Amino acid sequence: DVKVTQSSRYLVKRTGEKVFLECVQDMDHENMFWYRQDPGLGLRLIYFSYDVKMKEKGDIPEGYSVSREKKERFSLILESASTNQTSMYLCATGFEKLFFGSGTQLSVL
Amino acid sequence: AQTVTQSQPEMSVQEAETVTLSCTYDTSENNYYLFWYKQPPSRQMILVIRQEAYKQQNATENRFSVNFQKAAKSFSLKISDSQLGDTAMYFCAFMKQYSNYQLIWGAGTKLIIKP
Repeated sequence: DVKVTQSSRYLVKRTGEKVFLECVQDMDHENMFWYRQDPGLGLRLIYFSYDVKMKEKGDIPEGYSVSREKKERFSLILESASTNQTSMYLCATGFEKLFFGSGTQLSVL
Repeated sequence: AQTVTQSQPEMSVQEAETVTLSCTYDTSENNYYLFWYKQPPSRQMILVIRQEAYKQQNATENRFSVNFQKAAKSFSLKISDSQLGDTAMYFCAFMKQYSNYQLIWGAGTKLIIKP
């Protein structure tokens, strides 16, 4: 089965820090996605990529950027973390069926 | 723009009972896909069931089945013979055709199965 690995399960950062969330998939899928999950809001798409070095903004890209230098790795970057970016971040890959990582719970203090 | 609404924030049932989770959506598209995903306490989101809008037959996967009413824009999930392992957040999601697999998600329903 597809494996999607997110580098950290829990992360605590300070306001203003630059934060990197890493995601690696082992199935050679072109599509990769970063979602943010907040209670009562479901999942909201931040960015997605359908090929190496390609990226598209999702619904809530403000305050985030992404990097996809290799097909298997898709990184989410918070250039200057703020408290309103405290959330669960989920990475996914796939086509008709999405495979998810276990999520990174990020707290920005 | 498409929206997905799950009107039940939380539900609980006894083990072995049948439970139905509701989902409605709004779209002007004719060709699309609908999904139910499950997120247990482990946080690993897992696909439960998938429905293509052009198919009239309701999708089933073992104890899980859907009631897809295209005209009413309704897509409910029925779990039969519920088990403790069904305890999870359940999310309904919509994807229009040729959208680069971008999903629109509902807010989720927390389902608790009691022993």
